[in-house]
Amino acid sequence: NAGVTQTPKFQVLKTGQSMTLQCAQDMNHNSMYWYRQDPGMGLRLIYYSASEGTTDKGEVPNGYNVSRLNKREFSLRLESAAPSQTSVYFCASKPAQQYEQYFGPGTRLTVT
Amino acid sequence: DAKTTQPPSMDCAEGRAANLPCNHSTISGNEYVYWYRQIHSQGPQYIIHGLKNNETNEMASLIITEDRKSSTLILPHATLRDTAVYYCIVRVSNDYKLSFGAGTTVTVRA
Repeated sequence: NAGVTQTPKFQVLKTGQSMTLQCAQDMNHNSMYWYRQDPGMGLRLIYYSASEGTTDKGEVPNGYNVSRLNKREFSLRLESAAPSQTSVYFCASKPAQQYEQYFGPGTRLTVT
Repeated sequence: DAKTTQPPSMDCAEGRAANLPCNHSTISGNEYVYWYRQIHSQGPQYIIHGLKNNETNEMASLIITEDRKSSTLILPHATLRDTAVYYCIVRVSNDYKLSFGAGTTVTVRA
């Protein structure tokens, strides 16, 4: 049982490049989330998916798109990366009717 | 959403209890108090949550005041591995979203 996995672990992009961050969970959880964490700050919600087939904006969605590919996978896409998107990105999942979110190890993204 | 206030940092001696305070004076009747922690460079980890009764699990205890305007997370016997940033979060039970503030950086010293 791997829990929540994220790929890649590290990425460096040039301004204007695009990329997709991958997240998968093997716990059969309904809800999945993408957060970003800037240095010295708490996590901020980018997008979430309450259940398969639905996605909604969080606190800081601008510059991002998401896809809930199936129940296991929730990807985050940066269409045109900007230096302001340099951050650590965390994916999380949550089972239905429970309170606890389970977090992945994070993807460290640098945009130059 | 109720906002929370936590001290930015605190130290604790190894083996002693660590008491982490959180103020949430604007909490609503249907909002729960959650605690998460984040060990350096890792994803956050759920610790405990409660509505109005005190709660205990294998990791910690949560004490909520009778007026629910503040709470305390207690780590009963702190170890060096408890060094982390601890986040107090207030949310309604069916709200999917968590909002993390700056938290309290807890340093456990030998």
